[in-house]
Amino acid sequence: GAGVSQSPSNKVTEKGKDVELRCDPISGHTALYWYRQSLGQGLEFLIYFQGNSAPDKSGLPSDRFSAERTGGSVSTLTIQRTQQEDSAVYLCASSLVTVYEQYFGPGTRLTVT
Amino acid sequence: AQTVTQSQPEMSVQEAETVTLSCTYDTSENNYYLFWYKQPPSRQMILVIRQEAYKQQNATENRFSVNFQKAAKSFSLKISDSQLGDTAMYFCAFMNLFSGNTGKLIFGQGTTLQVKP
Repeated sequence: GAGVSQSPSNKVTEKGKDVELRCDPISGHTALYWYRQSLGQGLEFLIYFQGNSAPDKSGLPSDRFSAERTGGSVSTLTIQRTQQEDSAVYLCASSLVTVYEQYFGPGTRLTVT
Repeated sequence: AQTVTQSQPEMSVQEAETVTLSCTYDTSENNYYLFWYKQPPSRQMILVIRQEAYKQQNATENRFSVNFQKAAKSFSLKISDSQLGDTAMYFCAFMNLFSGNTGKLIFGQGTTLQVKP
């Protein structure tokens, strides 16, 4: 079946602009995660969704970052007023239930110029 | 807080030979999962193998096996009969299973493995 998909694959934006990154999880997966992969920080957790609720937002680095999930499916990660330090690969993962194997999408490479 | 450490930033191995990637972790919890993920240049993270902490038997998946030493908090990955397609970055990851946990993964820094022909 179809895996986790993310769009766009690559995004270049100017400092100060807002960006939206999209994640389509595997159908039927109730848990959804966003991670960020950067040279300086490695792979770090951002936010977890169970259905449409986000019980763990502890990894969001600032209030410029927000995310939502609708219909228990698609999720959007929004970064407002982007900064150069936001440049990274943003990975989305989904799992059938919480505390189970996570399946990752191909990521969105964000470059802030 | 849990931490995961991969002390080998880069490794190389000849095709068809065996290589072992190291991972140590720190936790005060007793129930958890450990994973190895592979990330080839395509960026797609692929699950290689999973180990449940309550299981004494080491997990195996075809050419991939782990050496799980719970007391030592060590979780190494052995790749047998290495193939060119195994060239990738490998991440060790920890998932806590205590009640109310969100299932978030805590990753090590990664080990870049190159398989040479």
